[in-house]
Amino acid sequence: GESVGLHLPTLSVQEGDNSIINCAYSNSASDYFIWYKQESGKGPQFIIDIRSNMDKRQGQRVTVLLNKTVKHLSLQIAATQPGDSAVYFCAESMFSGGYNKLIFGAGTRLAVHP
Amino acid sequence: DAGITQSPRHKVTETGTPVTLRCHQTENHRYMYWYRQDPGHGLRLIHYSYGVKDTDKGEVSDGYSVSRSKTEDFLLTLESATSSQTSVYFCAISPPGQRHEQYFGPGTRLTVT
Repeated sequence: GESVGLHLPTLSVQEGDNSIINCAYSNSASDYFIWYKQESGKGPQFIIDIRSNMDKRQGQRVTVLLNKTVKHLSLQIAATQPGDSAVYFCAESMFSGGYNKLIFGAGTRLAVHP
Repeated sequence: DAGITQSPRHKVTETGTPVTLRCHQTENHRYMYWYRQDPGHGLRLIHYSYGVKDTDKGEVSDGYSVSRSKTEDFLLTLESATSSQTSVYFCAISPPGQRHEQYFGPGTRLTVT
């Protein structure tokens, strides 16, 4: 598959462990924050979002935490599985110029080892 | 891939030739987007559409044009392809009332030689 990023930071975890992927954002005006997963050769896949007035949201095996004080977003994956291996992107969403603009982070590669 | 198909999936073309990429959705969503993805730059918006015949520019629109004659189809055209347009192109759609959520197609890998 194509290379999403040649020099992405990589998080290596053992299968069954919990994973935490971090992201710093820049714009205080963003109204939503979103996490995407991208597997090799595929398009980004929506995982979970959080509105800017919340600090925590849980999904199935995933939790997103938002700290607006330090402009930090994290994605926690419980009991990481080999199928979780992918590149993870955070994105900020803001309404600007007539559309919802998504600003994507550079991405983090998650490598799950058996 | 959320009812989105892209064609072709792979294309190699020569500098100076016109190229059209197609995005087709079965969700009947109003908002559609074209992005390019490059190492070191992440995903960048090229153009977007908010309805039939309603389109506007994104952050990297130079050298690209779009058309939307039907709700389900959003076409991206490179009038005269250049090597700098070698990239992976993704189409995305947004459900009504949830415009911050974007769902992406499988992508088209375009190589301009």
